[in-house]
Amino acid sequence: EPEVTQTPSHQVTQMGQEVILRCVPISNHLYFYWYRQILGQKVEFLVSFYNNEISEKSEIFDDQFSVERPDGSNFTLKIRSTKLEDSAMYFCASSEAQGLNYGYTFGSGTRLTVV
Amino acid sequence: DQQVKQNSPSLSVQEGRISILNCDYTNSMFDYFLWYKKYPAEGPTFLISISSIKDKNEDGRFTVFLNKSAKHLSLHIVPSQPGDSAVYFCAAIVRKLIFGQGTELSVKP
Repeated sequence: EPEVTQTPSHQVTQMGQEVILRCVPISNHLYFYWYRQILGQKVEFLVSFYNNEISEKSEIFDDQFSVERPDGSNFTLKIRSTKLEDSAMYFCASSEAQGLNYGYTFGSGTRLTVV
Repeated sequence: DQQVKQNSPSLSVQEGRISILNCDYTNSMFDYFLWYKKYPAEGPTFLISISSIKDKNEDGRFTVFLNKSAKHLSLHIVPSQPGDSAVYFCAAIVRKLIFGQGTELSVKP
C-alpha cells in the first residue's frame, strides 16, 4: 500500500539552528500538508501546498517556517531558527485532492527536539 | 480556537464491551467528519468518516453517529479489542483537517 515517508524519524537540534524535515508524499497525490503535535496536545495544521505554492497556512506558520518541493518527489519543511517551543512531532500528509471524500495519508512523523 | 473538541482525554474499557468516544464541534459549516486512530510513534490513520447528510455510518465494528442539531458526533467500537488501544482523533474537514485533542482508549483484556 502506498505510504508517506518521513525522514529523519528523530532530530535533535540546538536552539537557533536551522532544521529541514523531509517527506516523500504518495506519488499521484497533488496536495501536501504539514501538521505538528506538541506532546500531550492536539494535532495542529501548519500549512497546505498545491501546485508549487502554499494554499493555506495557520498562525503557527510564521516567517521562521518555509516549505518547498525541490524536485518531483520530496516535500520539505524548514525551520530557520529553532526555538524550544518548536519541539514536537511533525507529520507530513498528502491527498489526491482537497475535499470531502479524499483521504489524507499521514507519514509516521519526525520527532523534533530543540535543546 | 477549539472548533473540534474531545473532552475526555482517556477512556478505559473491558475487552468485548462497547467503547464510545465523543466529539463536539462549534462550526455549523462543517459538513464532513472523520475519525483517525494513532498509535505511538506512528502518524494518524484514517478509520471512518461521515457526511453531514447522514446521521450514521457503519464499517464493521466501527460506527459513527452524527447529531447535527447538537453538533456532536460519537464513535462506537463494538466489541472492543485490546488492539484498539490507541489515541482516537475526531476531525472536521474544511480544505484541511481540523483535529480534536484526542481520546486515549485503553481496552483491557
